Amino acid sequence: EAGVVQSPRYKIIEKKQPVAFWCNPISGHNTLYWYRQNLGQGPELLIRYENEEAVDDSQLPKDRFSAERLKGVDSTLKIQPAELGDSAVYLCASSLDARETQYFGPGTRLLVL
Amino acid sequence: AQKITQTQPGMFVQEKEAVTLDCTYDTSDQSYGLFWYKQPSSGEMIFLIYQGSYDEQNATEGRYSLNFQKARKSANLVISASQLGDSAMYFCAMREPNNNNDMRFGAGTRLTVKP
Repeated sequence: EAGVVQSPRYKIIEKKQPVAFWCNPISGHNTLYWYRQNLGQGPELLIRYENEEAVDDSQLPKDRFSAERLKGVDSTLKIQPAELGDSAVYLCASSLDARETQYFGPGTRLLVL
Repeated sequence: AQKITQTQPGMFVQEKEAVTLDCTYDTSDQSYGLFWYKQPSSGEMIFLIYQGSYDEQNATEGRYSLNFQKARKSANLVISASQLGDSAMYFCAMREPNNNNDMRFGAGTRLTVKP
């Protein structure tokens, strides 16, 4: 069974540029999560989807971050414009539902110069 | 307030020996779940083991076991017979159904296995 797929694996951009990350969850998993992991810290939740619906986006900086999960499968996370402090690893995870174990993708390492 | 505390930023263990990674948590809920994940340098978070708050027995998965002490609110990970491939960051996490099922992670412990 394929795991969570993320792309790109690495991204280097200049500040004020836009950037987008893509995630394909494990087949059949209804719940999808986006986390941000700063250097030396554990992941922090940005947004959680139940199928197409964003049910928890309280930690998503909505002035510059946006996310979507069309058709309840793939998801994209966008930052526009990027700031220096956005440099981090962005992890996508999925689970059968919110009560089940989360499985993570390899993450996207973002460096904003 | 910090929900998950991992007090060991780094740990060293000799190959083939056992090692314990500490984790304490803070919750007022009776129902919660505790998780351990491994993050090698490649970046992927790999699920290792799960313990439910109502589980009476400590969870085990191969060489991994979870020393769950509910009264002390601790959920230490024990890795037996360490291997070089166990060198990685290890994160403890807690999920609380009464907190939107959100999962909170500790800051992690970097384990280095010496040959």
